[in-house]
Amino acid sequence: GAGVSQSPSNKVTEKGKDVELRCDPISGHTALYWYRQSLGQGLEFLIYFQGNSAPDKSGLPSDRFSAERTGGSVSTLTIQRTQQEDSAVYLCASTQIPGRQIYFGEGSWLTVV
Amino acid sequence: DAKTTQPPSMDCAEGRAANLPCNHSTISGNEYVYWYRQIHSQGPQYIIHGLKNNETNEMASLIITEDRKSSTLILPHATLRDTAVYYCIVRVPEAAGNKLTFGGGTRVLVKP
Repeated sequence: GAGVSQSPSNKVTEKGKDVELRCDPISGHTALYWYRQSLGQGLEFLIYFQGNSAPDKSGLPSDRFSAERTGGSVSTLTIQRTQQEDSAVYLCASTQIPGRQIYFGEGSWLTVV
Repeated sequence: DAKTTQPPSMDCAEGRAANLPCNHSTISGNEYVYWYRQIHSQGPQYIIHGLKNNETNEMASLIITEDRKSSTLILPHATLRDTAVYYCIVRVPEAAGNKLTFGGGTRVLVKP
């Protein structure tokens, strides 16, 4: 596709369950970012990938959060033992290197009940 | 990345120009000024960016002061669909690890 694709667009899960969120960046974009935005809050950086490696994981809020990227393309963000405070929209973005523009997907809305 | 300061909110009349200010007094020489907007928690949308010269595209114009300590995003003819939160960000684009760091932005409400 032409843009950053994320799935699922909406996910409702029970507290304590694990969830996986997927990001398919724009073809050829080697840098990939995950952000989180809780309701009414600003965008919070989670992790950055350069190729398949993650040189900046500084924004991951706890060890329940992890992410991987394979083949320098698709990335998966995993949240283990979800808590209600994990409810948010999770946004993925990608860019070329060097990249003047960073492009965002439409996000995955996660609700933990 | 340098911090930016924006007014928290502003109103604009439909059809009029909207002028959104941003202060970035600690910007360094290789940092660009970026503007993004976010409509109702959709993914942020790129608007425009510049280094020191004024820039214009189909969406907006960006005016950067000569000392680069501030800038103004101009939406020439605001429509109701321009209602959004607008973010001013400074970043070095050549290093991909230099992520976009979002502040509070300016919540723009375009009124009929």
